[in-house]
Amino acid sequence: EAEVAQSPRYKITEKSQAVAFWCDPISGHATLYWYRQILGQGPELLVQFQDESVVDDSQLPKDRFSAERLKGVDSTLKIQPAELGDSAMYLCASSLATWNTGELFFGEGSRLTVL
Amino acid sequence: SQQGEEDPQALSIQEGENATMNCSYKTSINNLQWYRQNSGRGLVHLILIRSNEREKHSGRLRVTLDTSKKSSSLLITASRAADTASYFCATDLGSGNTGKLIFGQGTTLQVKP
Repeated sequence: EAEVAQSPRYKITEKSQAVAFWCDPISGHATLYWYRQILGQGPELLVQFQDESVVDDSQLPKDRFSAERLKGVDSTLKIQPAELGDSAMYLCASSLATWNTGELFFGEGSRLTVL
Repeated sequence: SQQGEEDPQALSIQEGENATMNCSYKTSINNLQWYRQNSGRGLVHLILIRSNEREKHSGRLRVTLDTSKKSSSLLITASRAADTASYFCATDLGSGNTGKLIFGQGTTLQVKP
């Protein structure tokens, strides 16, 4: 069964360091999402791609976060410099549909701890 | 910003009992979805109900949608210990939306064996 792949599963870093997360969506899924989930809360959308284009990055803290999906397939989310408040689970999801949003398929997430 | 609000925040029941979770939202929607998340894992899609539907079933799951009250409920019948997880509603906003899903804060369900 096709899955969304994410790496690393766990990342511990010190504040002010750079971190990067990688996501490979299900083959053929044009829409890719990055969500941030703080412990005990629901996922919050950071950025949405349609193929290689950013559709929505209104909640992405652009002073320190960046995301790209250069060839419209896999994607990288970067944080530089990391702050203590960035400790969270970073979830990637993909979807076949766009305008009439269907089911999202999530990866297992990347757990970030900033010390 | 969160669109959906789940109620209760936490629910503890015995195996075999039914579990009901509620979700309220603020703006018009195309559809509403429910997801499940086991501790430390990704989310798994459970069911999608469109704005023109009132009730939907999938196995032991029953979802209702009341667009006049901007609310939805998820009923899990004959619960099992394996149903222990967090459950989230997610709304796909109305016309003009780019396919963006907004998640609520979730209900944590514990099913005791």
